[in-house]
Amino acid sequence: DAGVIQSPRHEVTEMGQEVTLRCKPISGHNSLFWYRQTMMRGLELLIYFNNNVPIDDSGMPEDRFSAKMPNASFSTLKIQPSEPRDSAVYFCAIQGSSGNTIYFGEGSWLTVV
Amino acid sequence: GENVEQHPSTLSVQEGDSAVIKCTYSDSASNYFPWYKQELGKGPQLIIDIRSNVGEKKDQRIAVTLNKTAKHFSLHITETQPEDSAVYFCAASWGSNYQLIWGAGTKLIIKP
Repeated sequence: DAGVIQSPRHEVTEMGQEVTLRCKPISGHNSLFWYRQTMMRGLELLIYFNNNVPIDDSGMPEDRFSAKMPNASFSTLKIQPSEPRDSAVYFCAIQGSSGNTIYFGEGSWLTVV
Repeated sequence: GENVEQHPSTLSVQEGDSAVIKCTYSDSASNYFPWYKQELGKGPQLIIDIRSNVGEKKDQRIAVTLNKTAKHFSLHITETQPEDSAVYFCAASWGSNYQLIWGAGTKLIIKP
């Protein structure tokens, strides 16, 4: 979890509400990932950015999900409208320019009721 | 595509004993194999990794071995301690591919 700050850490929201998760990578990366973790499906890659450009969003489950990376120090994952099945832990992760190693943030625990 | 299988799903060992977790992969092109530890309420944290040009790597009480012929790799933890209790994930990727293919995880329980 070195170098990645996520917020909020916990969020409980009602079905239909918009949810925005935030990620602030510290430095020394050129790739950023959003993952979702559930008991049923494990760790799933949602989207991958390289040099702030979305390269692979094939893991984004539906049009309700969107992600942006306006600069190297900030990214958001938005769910609109949220549904109970979106309840999960969402991780932001970065990959250094020197190799494959991926570093995760502490995660955002989302509950949609 | 690549597939990674991890066993066992739960492992309970006595404190001080060794623990071994095994993963198999399907794509012979895979050449990078990391292991992550996830403690409750935290994100996965890299604990050790190995590349395909190496057969074994050690870091204090943890070690990883790789058998490219059989396409499996294992995590070994010796002299287990209570703080080793966590969920451990293996993964595989190839080249500079960003896509890590993850195992399902092993819950390691260290009994006092």
